[in-house]
Amino acid sequence: NAGVTQTPKFRILKIGQSMTLQCTQDMNHNYMYWYRQDPGMGLKLIYYSVGAGITDKGEVPNGYNVSRSTTEDFPLRLELAAPSQTSVYFCASSYVSTSGDRETQYFGPGTRLLVL
Amino acid sequence: AQSVAQPEDQVNVAEGNPLTVKCTYSVSGNPYLFWYVQYPNRGLQFLLKYITGDNLVKGSYGFEAEFNKSQTSFHLKKPSALVSDSALYFCAVRDADTGTASKLTFGTGTRLQVTL
Repeated sequence: NAGVTQTPKFRILKIGQSMTLQCTQDMNHNYMYWYRQDPGMGLKLIYYSVGAGITDKGEVPNGYNVSRSTTEDFPLRLELAAPSQTSVYFCASSYVSTSGDRETQYFGPGTRLLVL
Repeated sequence: AQSVAQPEDQVNVAEGNPLTVKCTYSVSGNPYLFWYVQYPNRGLQFLLKYITGDNLVKGSYGFEAEFNKSQTSFHLKKPSALVSDSALYFCAVRDADTGTASKLTFGTGTRLQVTL
């Protein structure tokens, strides 16, 4: 299993540009998440999904959009990039059920985004 | 509301010495607690978790953590530190009674530096 993969690894955007951060997992996890990591701030949840076709906002959703058309993929869309969106973005997934291995989140390697 | 605190930005320890990385939490119900490690330019890797049962939890790479309900703490420990343990460590919590699996709160991280 590749686990959670993210592309691209690094991107520079100009203010106002748009882009999509890709995330794919091959573990058949039902839950998927997008976080951003800013220096000294820990991780903040942007959006999450509990299954295909279902998404919801996290702590810091403004400026982002997501979709979940399949179990495997959970892309994050930035429509109008702003300098405040300069960050490292992590995608994660987990299998949530009433029994078994609950809630351990598995992270991708991250996408470093610089908005100038 | 749930929260987690990692009071030390950095912990320095000599190789071969025991290490402790501190974490305290606040939830209104019962906690699910997690430790993750992040190596440079990598995503977070799961180390261990407390869901229920024995207060002493053993995890990957020789790490363990003790859940202390009265002190609302979940400190990460290792009997003998290695230089390769140098990384950024995150504690995370969610309220098992009032929260959902999607709402994991991370601490701001503690940088562990192990020197020869």
